[in-house]
Amino acid sequence: AQSVTQLGSHVSVSEGALVLLRCNYSSSVPPYLFWYVQYPNQGLQLLLKYTSAATLVKGINGFEAEFKKSETSFHLTKPSAHMSDAAEYFCAVSDLNSGGGADGLTFGKGTHLIIQP
Amino acid sequence: NAGVTQTPKFQVLKTGQSMTLQCAQDMNHNSMYWYRQDPGMGLRLIYYSASEGTTDKGEVPNGYNVSRLNKREFSLRLESAAPSQTSVYFCASSEALPSELFFGEGSRLTVL
Repeated sequence: AQSVTQLGSHVSVSEGALVLLRCNYSSSVPPYLFWYVQYPNQGLQLLLKYTSAATLVKGINGFEAEFKKSETSFHLTKPSAHMSDAAEYFCAVSDLNSGGGADGLTFGKGTHLIIQP
Repeated sequence: NAGVTQTPKFQVLKTGQSMTLQCAQDMNHNSMYWYRQDPGMGLRLIYYSASEGTTDKGEVPNGYNVSRLNKREFSLRLESAAPSQTSVYFCASSEALPSELFFGEGSRLTVL
């Protein structure tokens, strides 16, 4: 069974600084990986996804993530943080060996991103 | 652009009461899901339906039942609510993975 570990339940950065949110996964086969963002009192929306094409994936709002098989990682980055980036971020994995992927995504516990002015 | 619609958005129950959370999607997706979100726990899968007419247990199914009424609708029922079921519940839908999941705005349930 797959699992996802997000290092750091809270990450604080200054406005304009680099954002780095860490995600490590465990899966028996190369997985499909996702980053979602959740703004207060809202549902989750997709930032980006990795589906075995390019290892560097670009998403919305200037975010990108790099799939590193050797490190089993899929860290999320943004060069310059904006106040509007303050939100909860979730890394998720899908293992197609598990019901063809139809049994949903396995989510990490989330990282709360705080932007300091 | 309705997407995934959940009702109700807020509900307060007493221990032992029952209720049903409704979910409908207008994207013609085959798969639908119910997750619960608790502080520090992320999202955990309760039940899912890979296609109309099928349902399967997820990670935390105890105390819940589901019905896939048709391709659009997937309801979650609490037969006898317990305080441990206080949570935010999210419905989601997708085409066959690795397509993204589309989420509703959530239903905040408090059980006293």
